[in-house]
Amino acid sequence: EAGVTQSPTHLIKTRGQQATLRCSPISGHTSVYWYQQALGLGLQFLLWYDEGEERNRGNFPPRFSGRQFPNYSSELNVNALELEDSALYLCASRGRGGTYEQYFGPGTRLTVT
Amino acid sequence: GNSVTQMEGPVTLSEEAFLTINCTYTATGYPSLFWYVQYPGEGLQLLLKATKADDKGSNKGFEATYRKETTSFHLEKGSVQVSDSAVYFCALSSRDGGFKTIFGAGTRLFVKA
Repeated sequence: EAGVTQSPTHLIKTRGQQATLRCSPISGHTSVYWYQQALGLGLQFLLWYDEGEERNRGNFPPRFSGRQFPNYSSELNVNALELEDSALYLCASRGRGGTYEQYFGPGTRLTVT
Repeated sequence: GNSVTQMEGPVTLSEEAFLTINCTYTATGYPSLFWYVQYPGEGLQLLLKATKADDKGSNKGFEATYRKETTSFHLEKGSVQVSDSAVYFCALSSRDGGFKTIFGAGTRLFVKA
């Protein structure tokens, strides 16, 4: 069974640009979560999508947004990039119903210069 | 709100030493508890989990017991190896929290040969 995949592996952008990160969940999983792992700041919850809708978001400004497609894959968009957006962005998927555990992808490392 | 506190690192041990990484949590309801491991340059891997009080999760020689009375989920391993060098994250997830995972700050483990 294929795991969670993310693309690209690395992304380099300049301040003010937009970044788009992609995630494909495990087959059969309907929920996708996005997390930011900035250096020294641990893992912070960003967004949760389930069945195509945004269900919850963390304490991040509106320039962090995303969507979930009918095939349950997801995109994270970061507009007006700032230097402090440099981080590893992790996507996780979760199965239907009351299962709790999430399975993580390898991440996209975003560098803003 | 829900939170996880784990011991600060780094923890440096010699090969075959005993490992304990302390983790305590605050949560409403009945969360599931997890330990994730992140090897250098990689994403997160689920190491073990426990879904109810007194459950013991185990994997690859690591163990942790869900202690509701002390709100703890300490990670232990009887004999560490150099290959165990990584960052370990304690985490919880609950239905109340929309199943998003709340992570501790992470504990970096170095194992010397």
